[in-house]
Amino acid sequence: EPEVTQTPSHQVTQMGQEVILRCVPISNHLYFYWYRQILGQKVEFLVSFYNNEISEKSEIFDDQFSVERPDGSNFTLKIRSTKLEDSAMYFCASRAGTGIPVAYEQYFGPGTRLTVT
Amino acid sequence: DAKTTQPPSMDCAEGRAANLPCNHSTISGNEYVYWYRQIHSQGPQYIIHGLKNNETNEMASLIITEDRKSSTLILPHATLRDTAVYYCIVRVSGAGSYQLTFGKGTKLSVIP
Repeated sequence: EPEVTQTPSHQVTQMGQEVILRCVPISNHLYFYWYRQILGQKVEFLVSFYNNEISEKSEIFDDQFSVERPDGSNFTLKIRSTKLEDSAMYFCASRAGTGIPVAYEQYFGPGTRLTVT
Repeated sequence: DAKTTQPPSMDCAEGRAANLPCNHSTISGNEYVYWYRQIHSQGPQYIIHGLKNNETNEMASLIITEDRKSSTLILPHATLRDTAVYYCIVRVSGAGSYQLTFGKGTKLSVIP
């Protein structure tokens, strides 16, 4: 069964450093998402991406964040200058967005645990 | 999107049916009910969704009341692996990017 994959599973970085989190969505999906979950808190939406551009973003997704789909398979989240409060699990998700009826359900990856020290 | 209310926690004996309720009294006609779950710190997992008819798949059944103000997710024979946080999410279909807004969900503990 196709699945969303994410690398690395755990990333430790120092405050102020840049990190790139990588995701490979399900191959025929058209919509891509990043969410994060701070330890013990709710899963929060960060950004959605469709047709090579951001379609929606939350107020969390400020100028230090960016997303990119550099080729036909990868979807990345870059955090430019990490802060302690960026420590969280980051989940990538994808959605087909096609079919009859249209598929709205999202499929999540296993997550990347980011620890900022 | 309509707000949902779920009990914070529930227990279920292994092998028995787990019935997880969700209240969405302000749901509108074009909003679907989605259920996801999160096992420990894994990524959320899609379970099932519906509009007004009852739905069943290999994982669960979804019963939506006739007035659509509440629904119940049924895991017919709960196993220890079903221990997770279950999220009921109401979402408009037909517009937007369909990002999900997660609440606190119901923590289901399946007990041997």
